[in-house]
Amino acid sequence: DTAVSQTPKYLVTQMGNDKSIKCEQNLGHDTMYWYKQDSKKFLKIMFSYNNKELIINETVPNRFSPKSPDKAHLNLHINSLELGDSAVYFCASSQRRGENTIYFGEGSWLTVV
Amino acid sequence: AQSVTQPDIHITVSEGASLELRCNYSYGATPYLFWYVQSPGQGLQLLLKYFSGDTLVQGIKGFEAEFKRSQSSFNLRKPSVHWSDAAEYFCAVVLYSGNTGKLIFGQGTTLQVKP
Repeated sequence: DTAVSQTPKYLVTQMGNDKSIKCEQNLGHDTMYWYKQDSKKFLKIMFSYNNKELIINETVPNRFSPKSPDKAHLNLHINSLELGDSAVYFCASSQRRGENTIYFGEGSWLTVV
Repeated sequence: AQSVTQPDIHITVSEGASLELRCNYSYGATPYLFWYVQSPGQGLQLLLKYFSGDTLVQGIKGFEAEFKRSQSSFNLRKPSVHWSDAAEYFCAVVLYSGNTGKLIFGQGTTLQVKP
């Protein structure tokens, strides 16, 4: 069983489109995250939710909107996609907001053309 | 500001040789430190972590890391590298704001293994 699973794994889309990436964790964790890995492989946090409450919101364009329907799911919706949004997006979770160990999903490779 | 630096962008070692990947951190309090590995086209896998206690920590796949407060370092080591170890390695520290933590990553080190 995959602990943190994301779909889709690969996504190729045109500029201006709207797309979503879904994430689910079956670890019973309270806290979930979205990280972005850019073309230089640099990893940076975007958002974090704790029990459906947004607790971290880094400087991210408003076109990115996370949604957490329950504590096991954290989806990422991106409006009006731009070329610069091409990246790998990683979902992650930790047992609670102060928990040190964060477990990552397999990543979603987004290419905007 | 809290940060993590991996001085080596790219390292090449021969299979069977020993490996050391460097990581330096800047953090005011006792850091919680991690090493993650990303194989090509794959996600991030936790190799090992340091929270407190014994400064030499053992991880998966035969890796170990040593926390040295005096040098602000947390270097990753492996005595004998296998071809399957070729991957991207990331050092990270947890940055806390109140009781909310987030991982701050280094730039990553690409490990190439020669046959």
